[in-house]
Amino acid sequence: DVKVTQSSRYLVKRTGEKVFLECVQDMDHENMFWYRQDPGLGLRLIYFSYDVKMKEKGDIPEGYSVSREKKERFSLILESASTNQTSMYLCAAGGGPGTEAFFGQGTRLTVV
Amino acid sequence: AQRVTQPEKLLSVFKGAPVELKCNYSYSGSPELFWYVQYSRQRLQLLLRHISRESIKGFTADLNKGETSFHLKKPFAQEEDSAMYYCALTSGTYKYIFGTGTRLKVLA
Repeated sequence: DVKVTQSSRYLVKRTGEKVFLECVQDMDHENMFWYRQDPGLGLRLIYFSYDVKMKEKGDIPEGYSVSREKKERFSLILESASTNQTSMYLCAAGGGPGTEAFFGQGTRLTVV
Repeated sequence: AQRVTQPEKLLSVFKGAPVELKCNYSYSGSPELFWYVQYSRQRLQLLLRHISRESIKGFTADLNKGETSFHLKKPFAQEEDSAMYYCALTSGTYKYIFGTGTRLKVLA
């Protein structure tokens, strides 16, 4: 009963490339999130969206943008990939404050 | 500022020993607190939330507003409890704020 699906488990990209990370949820949740997971730093929020075409910056938005054209899909875009964006990226969907967030399996991105 | 602090990066205990994973938070309103767990090669998933006052897999957590803490406890650790644990809170603006995580290793 997979609820949140990320399009790739592993990606290797070159410095300067434009990178798209895709996330799809089948739970009809209003809110979707992109986090970056790094050892010792935990989960840091990049962007989140609380409705179609609505987005807000999280704690570390620099170098990233997002797109939410449909309720079920939330894309993370690295405009020009850099080596310091090598990381594990987690997508999540949730119903709002106090409710459970459901996570995707993660995308491990390596920028060379 | 809203913040979740997990002071231990790594906690090692022997099988059968009690476990306590510490979590402190700073939040000006009434927080909703959670513990999430990530087992090896699995996705991050909810373990428990304070509002439910439930025990999951033998784990419990009590919200202490005076000490602004939400420590996770289990009386007898099992090897299958080895995982990464994250404390989190939700704010009124939909965001889920996570701590830096504690890796629990249960030794045989």
